[in-house]
Amino acid sequence: DIQMTQSPSSVSASVGDRVTITCRASQGISNYLAWFQQKPGKAPKSLIFAASSLQSGVPSKFSGSGSGTDFTLTISSLQPEDFATYYCQQYNSFPFTFGPGTKVDIK
Amino acid sequence: EVQLVESGGGLVQPGGSLRLSCSASGFTFSSYAMHWVRQAPGKGLEYVSAISSNGGSTYYADSVKGRFTISRDNSKNTLYLQMSSLRAEDTAVYNCVKSVSSGWGYFDYWGQGTLVTVSS
Repeated sequence: DIQMTQSPSSVSASVGDRVTITCRASQGISNYLAWFQQKPGKAPKSLIFAASSLQSGVPSKFSGSGSGTDFTLTISSLQPEDFATYYCQQYNSFPFTFGPGTKVDIK
Repeated sequence: EVQLVESGGGLVQPGGSLRLSCSASGFTFSSYAMHWVRQAPGKGLEYVSAISSNGGSTYYADSVKGRFTISRDNSKNTLYLQMSSLRAEDTAVYNCVKSVSSGWGYFDYWGQGTLVTVSS
C-alpha cells in the first residue's frame, strides 16, 4: 500500500495568513493526488484533484502543486470558514489511501 | 443537485451484521463508480471499498476483505455495503462517495455518512 504523510499535523494561524500544508507519498503517484477539507461534524469536501486542479466551485485562494511524491496545498489569506482539517489522498492505486490530516485552527 | 444519503447505521453487537445503503440522486448513477470511506470517532479517513459503474469490478481494503461486500442496484440508484463479522474497530461513520467517472479516479461528492457502532 502507498503510505501518505502530512506535515504539519496542526497549524495555528490568523485570519489573513497564508498557510501551506505538505503531503508526501511513499512512492511515486504522478499527479494522482486529491485534497479534501473537513469541518467538525461534517462530511469531507473535495477541493483539488490531479494535484493542482480545483473542483468546481472551490475558491481560487486554494491552490495545489507537486508531482511524484511531494505535494503542497496552499491557502492564501485564511478566512474564518477555512479553519478545518485538511486531508490528502492518493488515487494512483488501491487502496486510495489518505494522509493523517492537518488541522488548521485559529491562533 | 447531486445528493448521496446513507442509511442503515446503528448499534450492533460484535460478530453481528448490518447493511448500509446509499441513495443517490441528481446524476446518472449507473455511469459512475462509487466508494465507501469510513472515519472512526476522532480519527482520520480510511478507504474501505469501491465498485465500478456496472458492478463488475470491486475492491476491498485488507481490513474488511472477506467480511464486507459492496454492491449496487442501478435500477434503484442505490449503493450498498453488507457488513458481517463486525468488530469494535469497525465503529465509524461510513460515507458513500461518488467517483468522477465510470472507472476509478478521484472523488467529487460525499454523503453525510451513517454511524455504525459495534459494541456489546
